[in-house]
Amino acid sequence: QSVLTQPPSASGTPGQRVTISCSGSSSNIGSNTVNWYQQLPGTAPKLLIYNNNQRPSGVPDRFSGSKSGTSASLAISGLQSEDEADYYCAAWDDSLNGHVVFGGGTKLTVL
Amino acid sequence: EVQLLESGGGLVQPGGSLRLSCAASGFTFSSYAMSWVRQAPGKGLEWVSAVSGSDGWTYHADSVKGRFTISRDNSKNTLYLQMNSLRAEDTAVYYCAKGSSVYSSSSLNYWGQGTLVTVSS
Repeated sequence: QSVLTQPPSASGTPGQRVTISCSGSSSNIGSNTVNWYQQLPGTAPKLLIYNNNQRPSGVPDRFSGSKSGTSASLAISGLQSEDEADYYCAAWDDSLNGHVVFGGGTKLTVL
Repeated sequence: EVQLLESGGGLVQPGGSLRLSCAASGFTFSSYAMSWVRQAPGKGLEWVSAVSGSDGWTYHADSVKGRFTISRDNSKNTLYLQMNSLRAEDTAVYYCAKGSSVYSSSSLNYWGQGTLVTVSS
């Protein structure tokens, strides 16, 4: 059971906007920044959003992140077939001498 | 171009040991934290260990504490993970990942291709 809670699945049709939630606690999301990763089938994860809402160079602005209190969200607008992937949130957790926690992952299906 | 190349994975018996290496290039290695993240077959990502850039602070997940040790050799631009007392549940693809700053362990902006560790008799 993951420390950060994500829905196991999400779906949308091309062009739609979908959001993926990530729920944590005061020791992780509540006091640290959130990062999001995209993992395409058979590949290594890729940093998609860092510091809650910043996009690395090369990530389309269709992807956006937000954080409020102990929860965070990833939004994908103008959904495309190539967005079908697993998405993970992650944050530093201040408990137990510090460690990184990941969400369980959300499998996004483009219908 | 940043490159991370893991090696050292393979088949090992329960209770055995293995050392993973990650050769880094394309950036000033000592200026960035580095992490190991693993993914069991068909499962999600699990952070394993992290080490800061130059002062060597280390962190380990509870699931591996006392069994795994992360280290780095900044003169060789190489990250290591010494894994002892391996268990079946340690079976996974192990990724080496670069932090986005000297202490950042949750913002990992480059990843290797991964190396498979299988613990089985």
